[in-house]
Amino acid sequence: QVQLVQSGSELKKPGASVKVSCKASGHTFTRYAVNWVRQAPGQGLEWMGWINTNTGNPTYAQGFTGRFVFSLDTSVSTAYLQVSSLKAEDTALYYCATHDYGSGAHFDYWGQGTLVTVSS
Amino acid sequence: QSVLTQPPSVSAAPGQRVTISCSGSSSNIGKNYVSWYQQLPGTAPKLLIYENNKRPSGIPDRFSGSKSGTSATLGITGLQTGDEADYYCGTWDSSLSAVVFGGGTKLTVL
Repeated sequence: QVQLVQSGSELKKPGASVKVSCKASGHTFTRYAVNWVRQAPGQGLEWMGWINTNTGNPTYAQGFTGRFVFSLDTSVSTAYLQVSSLKAEDTALYYCATHDYGSGAHFDYWGQGTLVTVSS
Repeated sequence: QSVLTQPPSVSAAPGQRVTISCSGSSSNIGKNYVSWYQQLPGTAPKLLIYENNKRPSGIPDRFSGSKSGTSATLGITGLQTGDEADYYCGTWDSSLSAVVFGGGTKLTVL
């Protein structure tokens, strides 16, 4: 059973950084790519981009370049999202989600979400 | 403003059938597969339909998907109160080189 378990909620001040983890289990880590999806309070889903778990190569969606970094630690089957210079508008739920290489752009499995709150 | 357009809300009585539309363009739905996600209150989204009309293991056949041209539709039959959720369509946009979602549709089972 594929599972993605994310790190807990974070409360950060504006200008700080945050690192969210997404630990995979139940499958070979390199079998699926890891995507990141943002959901602002009361809003819809927004794709942030993805990281290739075989090469470590990240791809960022428009609007998520510069302050956002995707990374991996394959030794512990974990993907990371780091956001720097946090702003109030970064307050959101952040989800990791997998997609199968070679399949359509659909997300088979999702983490439970990590709430990041940016407030002074 | 979402790239894909969904109605903000739909409602129907228990046992009835409801459809949720998702409208796009030639650069997204027109040339790529559509997927649908169910987000129950306070939970993460779950994949309901992929590649337009396929259901992952464990998804009941009350849920169906279809696509025609630049639009897609999610159908739910035999509505249950447990189906109350937000539903999102998603696809790849070849012009944006990005996954795009609809704004979401809130289903109320009256």
